[in-house]
Amino acid sequence: GAVVSQHPSRVICKSGTSVKIECRSLDFQATTMFWYRQFPKQSLMLMATSNEGSKATYEQGVEKDKFLINHASLTLSTLTVTSAHPEDSSFYICSARVSDGQNSPLHFGNGTRLTVT
Amino acid sequence: AQSVAQPEDQVNVAEGNPLTVKCTYSVSGNPYLFWYVQYPNRGLQFLLKYITGDNLVKGSYGFEAEFNKSQTSFHLKKPSALVSDSALYFCAVREIQAGTALIFGKGTTLSVSS
Repeated sequence: GAVVSQHPSRVICKSGTSVKIECRSLDFQATTMFWYRQFPKQSLMLMATSNEGSKATYEQGVEKDKFLINHASLTLSTLTVTSAHPEDSSFYICSARVSDGQNSPLHFGNGTRLTVT
Repeated sequence: AQSVAQPEDQVNVAEGNPLTVKCTYSVSGNPYLFWYVQYPNRGLQFLLKYITGDNLVKGSYGFEAEFNKSQTSFHLKKPSALVSDSALYFCAVREIQAGTALIFGKGTTLSVSS
């Protein structure tokens, strides 16, 4: 149980275009999802906390107008990288926790490798 | 502020030998502590967690971790390493309040040689 599906797994786009990444909790409801970014050989950096039905909370230094987060339902959060630039190339990982599971671990998607050319 | 330190970038062990991956943390109040493993180009897989109770926590794939409050450590251990254990390991901490995200250490690459 507690599977998080992330799509696409890999995407290549041209500079200036937008890319949407989907994160779905397949067998549980998640009022809160988290988006992380991972640079090569580095740790996961929290970008934002996505709350169902309300605005996302962004970490300091993360541009909310560039990284649009929509958490429209209890099982889906999307991250849209707008007007992508090569420096946005990275590995993006979403995660979710069972809604009533304060003590439960985060479950992670398999990540999305974004390459902006 | 929460923080996690993994002092070793890489740990090398021979197959069959015990392994330890170190982690220390800093958090106000009582911590929730986690270990995750990541394989290349994949998301993270949950190994084990400490919330409360016994300081020695057993998790997936034969891994265990010991919570030491006085040393603020949560080292990951396994009595006998396998080559298939080679991966990137992350220690993470979060505060008890609901909805808070995990804060990760920088990760430690475990390499098990045959």
